[in-house]
Amino acid sequence: DTEVTQTPKHLVMGMTNKKSLKCEQHMGHRAMYWYKQKAKKPPELMFVYSYEKLSINESVPSRFSPECPNSSLLNLHLHALQPEDSALYLCASSNGLQGNPGANVLTFGAGSRLTVL
Amino acid sequence: GQQVMQIPQYQHVQEGEDFTTYCNSSTTLSNIQWYKQRPGGHPVFLIQLVKSGEVKKQKRLTFQFGEAKKNSSLHITATQTTDVGTYFCAGRGPYGGSQGNLIFGKGTKLSVKP
Repeated sequence: DTEVTQTPKHLVMGMTNKKSLKCEQHMGHRAMYWYKQKAKKPPELMFVYSYEKLSINESVPSRFSPECPNSSLLNLHLHALQPEDSALYLCASSNGLQGNPGANVLTFGAGSRLTVL
Repeated sequence: GQQVMQIPQYQHVQEGEDFTTYCNSSTTLSNIQWYKQRPGGHPVFLIQLVKSGEVKKQKRLTFQFGEAKKNSSLHITATQTTDVGTYFCAGRGPYGGSQGNLIFGKGTKLSVKP
């Protein structure tokens, strides 16, 4: 079991659909992340929220829109996706405390496997 | 930009044989982390190395961080079928902000034949 919970586990959507991926953690972590992982590839960073503020956007297309409603929740809103966006979307968190040795140790959720038709 | 190279890409071993995966960075790292991802699973943190020349052990797993903080290795002694998965190293650059984010290696996929 992971302490980062992601829903849904699987999502199939058409290119005109709007859907959202959700992530929740109750470890008191102050940094939350979205990663995209294609088959046989490493996780690829998309967004980082630090203290509920977007701190990093790794040149992700605007059809992906992150949202951090509070320190425990992270959403990824999806609109007008392309088939090549099909992948495993991983949420992660870290304690994010400056000077703390574990500041950027990532706890990943189980992921949301997205298929775009 | 900063890159972390990881080899080999795949390793097939007989159960009981040893296994090693290596990571090399193009720049000095502030720390390096190792993650394991089981087939169909998600990455799980194994360990973080911070100090130059650091060596850490977890049962049959030995992790090393090079003296120059640019390379690292993970060695598994006497592999078991439970070791199957992909092992990723992830290096953090010396600076804050986006330059200090974790850069993942491409991973080494380990398969173990019983």
